Amino acid sequence: KQEVTQIPAALSVPEGENLVLNCSFTDSAIYNLQWFRQDPGKGLTSLLLIQSSQREQTSGRLNASLDKSSGRSTLYIAASQPGDSATYLCAVPSGGYQKVTFGTGTKLQVIP
Amino acid sequence: GAVVSQHPSWVICKSGTSVKIECRSLDFQATTMFWYRQFPKKSLMLMATSNEGSKATYEQGVEKDKFLINHASLTLSTLTVTSAHPEDSSFYICSATLAETDTQYFGPGTRLTVL
Repeated sequence: KQEVTQIPAALSVPEGENLVLNCSFTDSAIYNLQWFRQDPGKGLTSLLLIQSSQREQTSGRLNASLDKSSGRSTLYIAASQPGDSATYLCAVPSGGYQKVTFGTGTKLQVIP
Repeated sequence: GAVVSQHPSWVICKSGTSVKIECRSLDFQATTMFWYRQFPKKSLMLMATSNEGSKATYEQGVEKDKFLINHASLTLSTLTVTSAHPEDSSFYICSATLAETDTQYFGPGTRLTVL
């Protein structure tokens, strides 16, 4: 059974800092990994999708890397802004085609 | 891009009533839709997989008679919470998969509060 863990569970940083969110998964036989953002009371917003053949993906200030062999992914946020404050979830396929297991989430607060 | 909508966005109901939540893929056909539930301060948990024209597949521990799922067309799946109780209060999110890709597109979610 796929288990996905995110560290840290919560993070508070001053505006402008670069930061790294970590995601680890137990079953490395995945074909992709997604990072999502969730604002309080809202649905998910997809940030980045990394295919198993890729090592990283970039979108603006976000960069996600994937190391299948070690079962890890990181989400790097450059020059953080208060608007980045949200919960970040990683998700990997598990237990069958297109089913997804979500990580425990990292709640980020960027202080102005 | 692929858009998934949910209706209603929030609902408050009395204990014992049934509530239906709709999930629609607006600009694509989705043979498979997924329903998730999120408890406060917890991550999303998959409840069931909904395939068009067939019975839904429920995850272990999810009561199929409690959470009725119907996927009558390639653009619509519904989740009905029957005889709702306060412990059913939660955030329900659906997702739909674009057939040509592995990407799931998520709806905005429905917040259910049972009094």
